[in-house]
Amino acid sequence: AQSVTQLDSQVPVFEEAPVELRCNYSSSVSVYLFWYVQYPNQGLQLLLKYLSGSTLVKGINGFEAEFNKSQTSFHLRKPSVHISDTAEYFCAVRGGATNKLIFGTGTLLAVQP
Amino acid sequence: GAGVSQSPSNKVTEKGKDVELRCDPISGHTALYWYRQSLGQGLEFLIYFQGNSAPDKSGLPSDRFSAERTGGSVSTLTIQRTQQEDSAVYLCASSLSGGGLVKTQYFGPGTRLLVL
Repeated sequence: AQSVTQLDSQVPVFEEAPVELRCNYSSSVSVYLFWYVQYPNQGLQLLLKYLSGSTLVKGINGFEAEFNKSQTSFHLRKPSVHISDTAEYFCAVRGGATNKLIFGTGTLLAVQP
Repeated sequence: GAGVSQSPSNKVTEKGKDVELRCDPISGHTALYWYRQSLGQGLEFLIYFQGNSAPDKSGLPSDRFSAERTGGSVSTLTIQRTQQEDSAVYLCASSLSGGGLVKTQYFGPGTRLLVL
């Protein structure tokens, strides 16, 4: 069975500082990994996804993530955050044999001026 | 183009009543998913429809929950005899399918359900 662990429930950071949101997954089949963002009172929006190929994936709004198979991780990074990046970020895995997404518990990124 | 839409955006009901939540997927998307987002459980998969295939109901928490998809488009999630623990945001997503490739799921804004 697949599972996702987001170790940090909340990450406070100052504006223009770098940030890393951690995600670890467990899967016995080929994995497809996703990061979604949820702004206050809005639905989920896809930030980026890893399906195959290059392990460094670039997404929208300057975010990127690196797939590390040996460490079963898919951490999300941004070199310089803005106030507008304040939102909840969800890591998700989709197993090769199923179509449903298994989500982590989410990380609230709180950017302070 | 238009995204996934859901109605109502908010629903307040009394314990024991039935509720229906509606999802309009993106036009042309053959796959449709329901998820639930609650404080205690995070984001959970509920049910998945793919074309004319039998739905994957493995995430439905009890037999009070059911869903249907008419004409391969609009879907309705029904919760019978609502309980307070059903209070959550119910999210719908849709995607293309087929071609052996993983397709991105696009989410609607959700229906916030409060059971008093």
